[in-house]
Amino acid sequence: EAGVTQSPTHLIKTRGQQATLRCSPISGHTSVYWYQQALGLGLQFLLWYDEGEERNRGNFPPRFSGRQFPNYSSELNVNALELEDSALYLCASSELQGGHTEAFFGQGTRLTVV
Amino acid sequence: AQSVTQLDSQVPVFEEAPVELRCNYSSSVSVYLFWYVQYPNQGLQLLLKYLSGSTLVKGINGFEAEFNKSQTSFHLRKPSVHISDTAEYFCAVSDQGGGSNYKLTFGKGTLLTVNP
Repeated sequence: EAGVTQSPTHLIKTRGQQATLRCSPISGHTSVYWYQQALGLGLQFLLWYDEGEERNRGNFPPRFSGRQFPNYSSELNVNALELEDSALYLCASSELQGGHTEAFFGQGTRLTVV
Repeated sequence: AQSVTQLDSQVPVFEEAPVELRCNYSSSVSVYLFWYVQYPNQGLQLLLKYLSGSTLVKGINGFEAEFNKSQTSFHLRKPSVHISDTAEYFCAVSDQGGGSNYKLTFGKGTLLTVNP
């Protein structure tokens, strides 16, 4: 069974541009979570999507946004990129049934803003 | 609000020595507890989790952790480490109640370095 897959693996953008990161959850999982892992800041919760809707959002500006598609895959969009957006972005998925007992993570997308 | 404190940012040990990585949490509600491992340039892999029941939890790769509710701790242990255990380890909590406020809250991580 395939795990959580993220694309691209690496992404280099210029300050001010937009970045789009993609995530495919494990088959059967309806919830997708996005985390930012920036140097020195640890893992910060960004967004949670379930059944196509945004359920919760971390303390990030509105230029961080996303969506979840009918097949439960998800996109994270970062507009007006800033240098400090450089980080590893991790996607995770889980089954919502029975509560949030375990999340499975992808390998991440390394975003570099120059 | 929840918070997780990993008391050591780096832990160097020699191969075959025992190791303990410390984790304390703060929460006003009951929580689930997790330990994840991250190898260089990779995502997170779940080592073990505490949901309910026995406070001693066994995970993969010979790791175990003990939940202590009175001390709000969830320390990770391994009796004998290998070079391959070199990685960053993250402790995390989530609200048992779930709901719209659900999220995993992570500690800042502990870098375990196993030396020959």
